[in-house]
Amino acid sequence: GDSVTQMEGPVTLSEEAFLTINCTYTATGYPSLFWYVQYPGEGLQLLLKATKADDKGSNKGFEATYRKETTSFHLEKGSVQVSDSAVYFCALASTGTASKLTFGTGTRLQVTL
Amino acid sequence: DTAVSQTPKYLVTQMGNDKSIKCEQNLGHDTMYWYKQDSKKFLKIMFSYNNKELIINETVPNRFSPKSPDKAHLNLHINSLELGDSAVYFCASSLLASSYNEQFFGPGTRLTVL
Repeated sequence: GDSVTQMEGPVTLSEEAFLTINCTYTATGYPSLFWYVQYPGEGLQLLLKATKADDKGSNKGFEATYRKETTSFHLEKGSVQVSDSAVYFCALASTGTASKLTFGTGTRLQVTL
Repeated sequence: DTAVSQTPKYLVTQMGNDKSIKCEQNLGHDTMYWYKQDSKKFLKIMFSYNNKELIINETVPNRFSPKSPDKAHLNLHINSLELGDSAVYFCASSLLASSYNEQFFGPGTRLTVL
């Protein structure tokens, strides 16, 4: 079945540091890939997505590239801010008419001054 | 206006009780979902409805029964609540039941079973 593996957290960085959160997946066919963010006490918000190989999703300075050859969708940001502190979830949705999101375990990011 | 709303936000109840969580979306989407987030933050799909028809039913105890009176609403009824049902339940919606579509999440309902 489908699965998503994310790096274990928490990840603690100083403001303006470079961020990478690794994500790899297992799926049949050609899934769509997503990064969602959950701020404390809130629901999930879509951060970015990519729907085919070599697509790059980007938003708010975050980027991730759909790499089919390595089945990866790593999240990166060049310079994190304290306001980026949140839990980040990598997820996939397999092709087909009854779509569902399969999530990774989430990675907590803590950014300090 | 909130796109996906859930009520209540918090629910504290005793074991054995029956409770419901309501979800409404005003986005005009066809597809709605229920996800469960456990204490370790792991999120798992429970159900999905497309235009009032059940299309995803994961291995969830039959004490959980979703109901979709119209495509803007998806409610979750839970019978005979157990300690293990304590979690945050998220409702979500998407334009269509397609892997390309973003899912929009509600704020969550934190259920605590004592």
